[in-house]
Amino acid sequence: QKEVEQDPGPLSVPEGAIVSLNCTYSNSAFQYFMWYRQYSRKGPELLMYTYSSGNKEDGRFTAQVDKSSKYISLFIRDSQPSDSATYLCAMRSSGGATNKLIFGTGTLLAVQP
Amino acid sequence: DVKVTQSSRYLVKRTGEKVFLECVQDMDHENMFWYRQDPGLGLRLIYFSYDVKMKEKGDIPEGYSVSREKKERFSLILESASTNQTSMYLCASKTQTNEQFFGPGTRLTVL
Repeated sequence: QKEVEQDPGPLSVPEGAIVSLNCTYSNSAFQYFMWYRQYSRKGPELLMYTYSSGNKEDGRFTAQVDKSSKYISLFIRDSQPSDSATYLCAMRSSGGATNKLIFGTGTLLAVQP
Repeated sequence: DVKVTQSSRYLVKRTGEKVFLECVQDMDHENMFWYRQDPGLGLRLIYFSYDVKMKEKGDIPEGYSVSREKKERFSLILESASTNQTSMYLCASKTQTNEQFFGPGTRLTVL
C-alpha cells in the first residue's frame, strides 16, 4: 500500500463548478500538508500549505486536513479553464532535515469552458 | 518570491554521454532536492542535500550522482546516460518552515 493515495482522474468539470480533490494517507506522523498545481510540461507550483489539522483559505482555494481520518482535500470554487492542470498532494512528518516529502501521483483536472 | 532555476528546459543526449543538470536557488535554503517525474510513477526522489557538500540518497539514486559545492547550487550528474533515464527532472529547495519550491524542470531525452 502506498503511503499517499490520490485518484489520478481525469476529472472533467464545467466552468464555474466547485471542484473537490482528495488524498488519503497512512502515516499518522504526517504534520505538513501541501497542494501543488502543475501545468503541462512545467514544474509544480506550491498552491497551499497547511500545518497539522484544520482549514486554510486563499482566494478560490480551500485546503482541509482531517488527521483523524487521514484525509486531505483541496476545494476550488468557481473553477476556471485556467485551473486545468494536474494537482499533486504532498506531505511529510516533522523532525530532521532528512525527512522526505511524500507525493501523491496527481489528479488531472480539466475545466471545460 | 522564491526562485529556483534550472540550466536547461530541454536536453537531448546520446547513450553513454555524461550529463550535467544544474539547479540554482536564490533564497539561501539549506535543503535542495532532485526528482524525476514519469507518467504513472509520479515524483521520485533521486538525491537530496541538507548542506554544502552533504548529500543523501533518495529512493532511486542508481545511475546518478550529485554535487553541492555552494549553498545555492545543486548539480545532478548522469555519469553514463541511458535511455531509461529519459524523463522530466525537477529540482526543488525547501524553507525552514518546510515549504518546498520547484524549478521549471528539464526534459531530458537520451537517444
